[in-house]
Amino acid sequence: QVQLQESGPGLVKPSETLSLSCTVSSGSINNNHWSWIRQPPGKGPEWIGYISHSGYTNYNPSLERRVTISVDMSKNQFSLNLSSVTAADTAVYFCAKRGDWFDPWGPGTLVTVSS
Amino acid sequence: DIVMTQSPDSLAVSLGERATINCKSSQSVLYSSNNKNYLAWYQQKPGQPPKLLIYWASTRESGVPDRFSGSGSGTDFTLTISSLQAEDVAVYYCQQYYNTPITFGPGTRLEIK
Repeated sequence: QVQLQESGPGLVKPSETLSLSCTVSSGSINNNHWSWIRQPPGKGPEWIGYISHSGYTNYNPSLERRVTISVDMSKNQFSLNLSSVTAADTAVYFCAKRGDWFDPWGPGTLVTVSS
Repeated sequence: DIVMTQSPDSLAVSLGERATINCKSSQSVLYSSNNKNYLAWYQQKPGQPPKLLIYWASTRESGVPDRFSGSGSGTDFTLTISSLQAEDVAVYYCQQYYNTPITFGPGTRLEIK
């Protein structure tokens, strides 16, 4: 069973760019879609977007102007950049396999936007 | 966007009793060409990521106990736990993948009565 692990800063200043990586282990990043999802404290999940192994991306229109998802096949990783962050971007960020239902998920990483 | 709603917001059920959670989509998630409903259910316990329980509205993920079942079609769906166990205390979410943006319901909190 493939395993995922998010990594990146836990604190980002307002107006800066949030950058996270997801390392895929016990499996290849080939031939799948890979997603980012976030969950604000006490709320339901929000889909951010996904990328295919070939680099095709699909983003949530609500975030599209600020989001970039990329893949690094050599490192078996995919990444999330979210620019111009505000306090509303404070959430637990999850990476997950697939672009329809999501399985499995990484454990998640809390990112707080604060000065 | 397809808006997902769930009812009730919270639910308390006695151990061994049946728990029923409802999910409604603002438009049909049934794809006529393959007769599949593009709907999934997840279980989330505190401090953990959501865990996939069911996809295609009624297909149980491998390893999920058979007391969990999904039903419904079109816009109305149900997750049923036939005999509640203590470890089933969690928040349950439905999610549509009929089109993007992929959207989740607000969740139903399940507790022991």
